[in-house]
Parts: sequence; C-alpha cells; structure tokens
Amino acid sequence: SQTIHQWPATLVQPVGSPLSLECTVEGTSNPNLYWYRQAAGRGLQLLFYSVGIGQISSEVPQNLSASRPQDRQFILSSKKLLLSDSGFYLCAWSETGGRGDTQYFGPGTRLTVL
Amino acid sequence: AQSVTQPDIHITVSEGASLELRCNYSYGATPYLFWYVQSPGQGLQLLLKYFSGDTLVQGIKGFEAEFKRSQSSFNLRKPSVHWSDAAEYFCAVGAGFSGGYNKLIFGAGTRLAVHP
Repeated sequence: SQTIHQWPATLVQPVGSPLSLECTVEGTSNPNLYWYRQAAGRGLQLLFYSVGIGQISSEVPQNLSASRPQDRQFILSSKKLLLSDSGFYLCAWSETGGRGDTQYFGPGTRLTVL
Repeated sequence: AQSVTQPDIHITVSEGASLELRCNYSYGATPYLFWYVQSPGQGLQLLLKYFSGDTLVQGIKGFEAEFKRSQSSFNLRKPSVHWSDAAEYFCAVGAGFSGGYNKLIFGAGTRLAVHP
C-alpha cells in the first residue's frame, strides 16, 4: 500500500530564515505530487504541483519554491520566510491519469513564523 | 468558473443524532466529487468519492453521500454520529484535467462538533 510522509511535523522559524519541508511517497511510481497551504480558519490553497522529476508548476506567486529531485520526493523551500508564510502545509499525491485522479494527503507540517 | 460552497461553517450535533453536511458545486460538465475529513492537526483523509453510476455513494466510517445533479449538490450524511466524528469536513470537485493533473477545488469546510 502507499504511504506519504512529511517532516518535520511542526516548525517554528524566525522571519527571514530559510525553510525546507520534505515530503516522500512510498509504494507507487511516478506519482503526481502537490503542496497545499491551509491558513488558520481557511480552506486549502494549491501552491505547487509536479507531474515528474524536475517538473514543477506554481499555482500562485509567492515567497516559496518547490523542487522534485527524485521520483517520490517533493520539497518546499524558501530563502527568507515572511510572517504570512505561517500555516499548515500539506503534501498530497495522486496516480497520474485523468479527471478521476484521487489525491491522498500526508499528515501535514505546522509552520509558525515569528 | 468552478466552485464549491459549503454553506455551514460550524455544525453541532448530539452524539447518536443524524448528520447531514451540505455541499453545492458549480461545474459545467459531469463532476467528480469528493468528501475529505480532517481531524485537528492532521492531514485530510478521503471519506468517499463520486465519479459515475449510482448516485448514492458509501464511504468509510459509516458515511454516505448522495449526488443530485438537478440541485448541484453532494451532501454528506451519517445516520448516527459518534464523538470521534468531530472534525472538519471538506467537499471538493475535480475541476478538470489539464497540465497532467486533476485540479481539485475545495470548499471552505464545515467544522463539526459533537456533544455527548
């Protein structure tokens, strides 16, 4: 069966510091990968998606970037964090395919920027 | 434009009572619809999904949802709520396959509280 891991689970960082959040998927090959952000009291916002190694698409302009160095690894980064980057970050994966793709979510990382 | 509306931000029910969470969508073609649940501090877990066929869909944890095309709705139901069902529930529609992936549009969520 497939599993998805995220770490760290929680992170407290000062403004202006760098960020690296990691997501890995097991039990599948060539998955689509996604990064979402969930701000307090709000729904989910898709930040990035990737359909293959080195292929990253951004949904919204922002202070963050994403990379996919390996087939089942997805990294969310920032060079300098802003207060507005605080939130709950969720990684998800889906099988490559059509409209019926189902996205499966990881446990999330709670980021607090002070 | 595609959208998902969950009219109820908060709902409180008593344990053992029945539950219905509302979801309305706007989508031009046949929708692919999902319900997810999120416990506090956790990721989203898929409860059920509708792609085609029988409009009454069974999911995990005793949940079901009914797709009603005429009402553009996909309401989630459970006949008897347990205290462990307290969580936030998200409805989502698959908004189309483009660029190699299926974009999901999420509703804002409904937070469910369960009284003992």
